[in-house]
Amino acid sequence: EAQLLESGGGLVQPGGSLRLSCAASGFTFSSYAMSWVRQAPGRGLEWVSSISGAGDSTYYADSVKGRFTISRDNSKNTLYLQMNSLSAEDTAVYYCAKRPLAPGAYYFDCWGQGTLVTVSS
Amino acid sequence: DIQMTQSPSTLSASVGDRVTITCRASQNINTWLAWYQQKPGKAPKVLIYKASSLESGVPSRFSGSGSGTEFTLTISSLQPDDFATYYCQQYNTYFSFGQGTKLEIK
Repeated sequence: EAQLLESGGGLVQPGGSLRLSCAASGFTFSSYAMSWVRQAPGRGLEWVSSISGAGDSTYYADSVKGRFTISRDNSKNTLYLQMNSLSAEDTAVYYCAKRPLAPGAYYFDCWGQGTLVTVSS
Repeated sequence: DIQMTQSPSTLSASVGDRVTITCRASQNINTWLAWYQQKPGKAPKVLIYKASSLESGVPSRFSGSGSGTEFTLTISSLQPDDFATYYCQQYNTYFSFGQGTKLEIK
C-alpha cells in the first residue's frame, strides 16, 4: 500500500525559508510523478508544483514560481519542496500526492496527511 | 489558466437523498476531471477520475458524468459517512480545483 508522510512544516517569519519533505513507501517511487498541493485554513485546494519520476521536469503554479523549488531523491524515496521568500499568503497545510501510472492519469490517487506551514511574525 | 466553478457551495440533505454537485470548466477539458471527498482534518480522497470512472474501493452510489465544460457528481443515496466537502479537479492543462461543495446534514 502506497504511503506518503510529510514533515518540515512549522512557524516561519515573513521573508523566511522552509524545506518540506515527503517520505514515500509501498510503491516504486522513481516511477511516479509527484506533486505538492496546499490548502489555506478554511479554504480550498491549490496545486503548487509537480515533478517527473526522474526529476528532470518540474512545473509550478504562478503563485510560487521563482520562490519554490521542487526536487526529489529517488535513492531516498523522498520528495522535497524548498520554499523561499515566504509570505502570509503561503500559510497552508501542504500535502504531497502521487498520480497513477496510467497514461493521461494526472489526478492524485494517494495523499499524505499534510504538514502545516504558518508564516507570521 | 482553467477556472473550475462548483455549485452549490453548500448543500443540505438527508440520509437517503439523491444529491448532485455540478462543476463547470472555463474551457474544454474533455473528460480530464476528477472528484475528491475531504473530511475535516483529513487529506482528500479520490472518488472519480476521467469524469466517470469509479476509483477502486469507492462505493457504487457515487457516479460522475459530463464532458467538455460541464460535469456532475451524483450520490444516489446519501449515507452518514458521505457528509463532507467535495472538490472537482481538472487535469487537462496543469491542475486546478473547484472551490468545493460542503455537503451538510439537513
